[in-house]
Amino acid sequence: GAGVSQSPSNKVTEKGKDVELRCDPISGHTALYWYRQSLGQGLEFLIYFQGNSAPDKSGLPSDRFSAERTGGSVSTLTIQRTQQEDSAVYLCASSSSSFVGSNQPQHFGDGTRLSIL
Amino acid sequence: GENVEQHPSTLSVQEGDSAVIKCTYSDSASNYFPWYKQELGKRPQLIIDIRSNVGEKKDQRIAVTLNKTAKHFSLHITETQPEDSAVYFCAASRPGSSNTGKLIFGQGTTLQVKP
Repeated sequence: GAGVSQSPSNKVTEKGKDVELRCDPISGHTALYWYRQSLGQGLEFLIYFQGNSAPDKSGLPSDRFSAERTGGSVSTLTIQRTQQEDSAVYLCASSSSSFVGSNQPQHFGDGTRLSIL
Repeated sequence: GENVEQHPSTLSVQEGDSAVIKCTYSDSASNYFPWYKQELGKRPQLIIDIRSNVGEKKDQRIAVTLNKTAKHFSLHITETQPEDSAVYFCAASRPGSSNTGKLIFGQGTTLQVKP
């Protein structure tokens, strides 16, 4: 596709359930980022993938959060045993960084609005 | 840790006036500073960015200035139009082998341009 694609666009689930959020980056982009945006707040970095390098997980708020990127393309963010404070918009971004630290512009998807009841 | 402060949190201007949003960053190693515009319910859109090797960059009605010594950078929008109304986010990123390009965002500025 032309841009970063995320699914689902909205997800409502009960507290304690697991959820999976999907991100399909721009074709050819090697770097992929997950951010979280709580209501009325800025964006909070969660995790980063770059090629075959070990992911930077420094932003994950707890061990209930995990992410993987298969085949260097699509990424899935998983939240286990969801809590009400997990409610937020989860945004994915990708960039054409060919090596760590090249600071190429990041392009965002529309996000997944997650609501935990 | 790394921190980006953004001011003001809300800004209301009359159509045609200029708007200025300011950000300060704590990590002196930061070298890349993008600005994003986010309309309600939509994705953040990159509108302009600047790297630390330049002090100013302009794109039509939008300009960004960077003061590395003071560790602050600003977004300037001239001749504002109602369609400029949105939330604007600044961000900073550092280089180097330890960097993954992650952006540290400010808290956002809600800009309202009144017709």
